Amino acid sequence: DTGVSQNPRHKITKRGQNVTFRCDPISEHNRLYWYRQTLGQGPEFLTYFQNEAQLEKSRLLSDRFSAERPKGSFSTLEIQRTEQGDSAMYLCASSSDRFDRWQYFGPGTRLTVT
Amino acid sequence: AQKVTQAQTEISVVEKEDVTLDCVYETRDTTYYLFWYKQPPSGELVFLIRRNSFDEQNEISGRYSWNFQKSTSSFNFTITASQVVDSAVYFCALRNTGFQKLVFGTGTRLLVSP
Repeated sequence: DTGVSQNPRHKITKRGQNVTFRCDPISEHNRLYWYRQTLGQGPEFLTYFQNEAQLEKSRLLSDRFSAERPKGSFSTLEIQRTEQGDSAMYLCASSSDRFDRWQYFGPGTRLTVT
Repeated sequence: AQKVTQAQTEISVVEKEDVTLDCVYETRDTTYYLFWYKQPPSGELVFLIRRNSFDEQNEISGRYSWNFQKSTSSFNFTITASQVVDSAVYFCALRNTGFQKLVFGTGTRLLVSP
């Protein structure tokens, strides 16, 4: 499988707990994106990496959210002290600045905060 | 400010009917890209088309066609002879040149019944 992969696919957590999601982009893609999608809405941009540098961040990315891409390959998104409002689908996408001009999306991680 | 409006929340058609999904966008930038993505029940967003703001030519790909009109800030998507497999949520998105963030509309759910 050469697509974008995300783990876990589903996560149920209690309010106040920390969670971490992982995204593995398509191997030759140097750009990686995180979006959040709530029910009945379109995806909302959270952040973007080019290689290991985080170049764009949305105001949606509060202090409780942090994303990393330490070696310019996979990325992690951590949510600290989860709240019920964090329940959503977290989508990762990747693209190449050399070959493609659109973003390829992964299957998402569905987070439920109880 | 960037905004994408998909006024049609849900459309139901019978197989073989033609259907048009509307997309209206707002941006102050003169150069930008427009996209359509499909989100089937499995949840993974699938890229369909990218159009840049310089190119107003309509495009046809099999049963799919797109009508881009800068004068009305619209980028509509038509499926000819719809099939049950076309049932999905369709998202229109906008990206300003120089930025990587995609701004999505709220999506149109298309239900094609046999």
